[in-house]
Amino acid sequence: AQTVTQSQPEMSVQEAETVTLSCTYDTSESDYYLFWYKQPPSRQMILVIRQEAYKQQNATENRFSVNFQKAAKSFSLKISDSQLGDAAMYFCAYTVGNTPLVFGKGTRLSVIA
Amino acid sequence: DTAVSQTPKYLVTQMGNDKSIKCEQNLGHDTMYWYKQDSKKFLKIMFSYNNKELIINETVPNRFSPKSPDKAHLNLHINSLELGDSAVYFCASSHRATSSYEQYFGPGTRLTVT
Repeated sequence: AQTVTQSQPEMSVQEAETVTLSCTYDTSESDYYLFWYKQPPSRQMILVIRQEAYKQQNATENRFSVNFQKAAKSFSLKISDSQLGDAAMYFCAYTVGNTPLVFGKGTRLSVIA
Repeated sequence: DTAVSQTPKYLVTQMGNDKSIKCEQNLGHDTMYWYKQDSKKFLKIMFSYNNKELIINETVPNRFSPKSPDKAHLNLHINSLELGDSAVYFCASSHRATSSYEQYFGPGTRLTVT
């Protein structure tokens, strides 16, 4: 069974600094999709960024970028120029297609002013 | 013009009661899901429907019964509620025709059983 591991239950970052959240996964599939979701205190699940496994280029969305290492089964999220509004739970998730997401346990990110 | 909506957003009820949560998506997606987020924030799939057909039913007590009257709706009915059912329940949807399979989530329903 596929598993997703987020080894950092909590992280903190100074405003305007950069932080990296770690995620590893286990799968025997060669084609799959990875996501980072943000859950602020409002509890809404917000898609931050996605990566298709067949794409070698790392995905980027404004201040958010990933470091996708397929051989190492690693998918870390880098947040640059951190803002107070980035404070939230961040979940790494995996799917092989139009199937349920498998989530990691989440990383709580605090942003210090 | 909310993409995925759920009602109610909050639900407080007593043990033993029966309650329903409704979900609707206006994205034209063909697949809908119910996830449960426990008190430790862990998210886990409960059910998955594709074109109104049940595809995945994880190990969930049979007190939980999903119903999909059409592709845009997926409701969750819970019988004989227990304290352990207290959680946040999320509805989500996706479409097999997309290239990224991202899922869109509803706002969640916080269920509290007393």
